[in-house]
Amino acid sequence: GNSVTQMEGPVTLSEEAFLTINCTYTATGYPSLFWYVQYPGEGLQLLLKATKADDKGSNKGFEATYRKETTSFHLEKGSVQVSDSAVYFCALILYGGATNKLIFGTGTLLAVQP
Amino acid sequence: GAVVSQHPSWVICKSGTSVKIECRSLDFQATTMFWYRQFPKQSLMLMATSNEGSKATYEQGVEKDKFLINHASLTLSTLTVTSAHPEDSSFYICSARGRTGANTEAFFGQGTRLTVV
Repeated sequence: GNSVTQMEGPVTLSEEAFLTINCTYTATGYPSLFWYVQYPGEGLQLLLKATKADDKGSNKGFEATYRKETTSFHLEKGSVQVSDSAVYFCALILYGGATNKLIFGTGTLLAVQP
Repeated sequence: GAVVSQHPSWVICKSGTSVKIECRSLDFQATTMFWYRQFPKQSLMLMATSNEGSKATYEQGVEKDKFLINHASLTLSTLTVTSAHPEDSSFYICSARGRTGANTEAFFGQGTRLTVV
């Protein structure tokens, strides 16, 4: 089946540290890949996405590259800020199915300390 | 990006009563809406998918008679939790997707925190 596996959190970093949150996927077809961010008490916001192999999604200093050979979509940021503290979800979608529904990983809590 | 508004953002109700949550797409026509439930420190669990004008498709294990979903227009879907009990307390999130192309992005509402006492 189709699934997304994320590294377990929480990830605790100091401000300006380098961030990596690992994400790997299993899919029967050729998915599009997403990272969503959820700030405390809020819904999800799309952070970035990539729709084909070797695409790099980027937004707000975050980046992730679609790696078909390793079925991965790791999220990185060179210098995190306290305001980046949130839960990050990796997700995939396979278009062309009956419902085209997003499949989420379990989420990774990031806590950035000043 | 497109805006999806969910209302209310939080609600407290008594056990045995029903609660309705609204999800509106403000600046696009949402042909498909999704309803998720999120437990503390866990991922989003898809509850059901609804297409405008047709019955919702529920995921396995979700009681359709308890979680009533209506998608009567292209901008509004509602989730009604009937005869709510404390175990229904959760964070409910909707998302909406438009009709322009098969790969249209889904946009999320801000979520509704339901507490049943």
